[in-house]
Amino acid sequence: AQTVTQSQPEMSVQEAETVTLSCTYDTSENNYYLFWYKQPPSRQMILVIRQEAYKQQNATENRFSVNFQKAAKSFSLKISDSQLGDTAMYFCAFMKLQSAGNTPLVFGKGTRLSVIA
Amino acid sequence: DVKVTQSSRYLVKRTGEKVFLECVQDMDHENMFWYRQDPGLGLRLIYFSYDVKMKEKGDIPEGYSVSREKKERFSLILESASTNQTSMYLCASSLTDSQPQHFGDGTRLSIL
Repeated sequence: AQTVTQSQPEMSVQEAETVTLSCTYDTSENNYYLFWYKQPPSRQMILVIRQEAYKQQNATENRFSVNFQKAAKSFSLKISDSQLGDTAMYFCAFMKLQSAGNTPLVFGKGTRLSVIA
Repeated sequence: DVKVTQSSRYLVKRTGEKVFLECVQDMDHENMFWYRQDPGLGLRLIYFSYDVKMKEKGDIPEGYSVSREKKERFSLILESASTNQTSMYLCASSLTDSQPQHFGDGTRLSIL
């Protein structure tokens, strides 16, 4: 079974600064996806970024980027130029790829990020 | 944009009641999921479905059942609600296995 570990229950960052959220995972699979989801206070969970394990290049989405280290099974999220609207719970998630059938997401326990003005 | 709609944002029920949580998606997605979210535990999968009338148990199915009679609707049923089922319930859907999941707003359920 796969597990996802987020070792930082809470973090804070000053507005306009950069912050990195950690995520490690455990799997024996070679083909999989990794995701970061964001859940603002009292609002809907939304996808921030996705990484395919077969791609060596790190995914980026505007101010959000990942550092994917496949051998180390590490998948950290970097948020640059932090904004107040980035305040949220952030979840790291793993999804195994297989040729047929459904493979649900496995989530970490989350990191609560507070951006301070 | 994909829309996943959960019927209630807040719900209060009593122990022993049968509770229905409804979820509807409007994008013809194959897969639908029910999670519960508790502080410090993250999201845990209760049940999921990859086709009409198909269902699979997740990590914590005990005390729950599901129904998927139509592709767009996935219902979570608490057969006899108990206080330890007080939680935030999140529904999600995805087009195919490799596509990201889209989430509803969640239902905060309190069992008294």
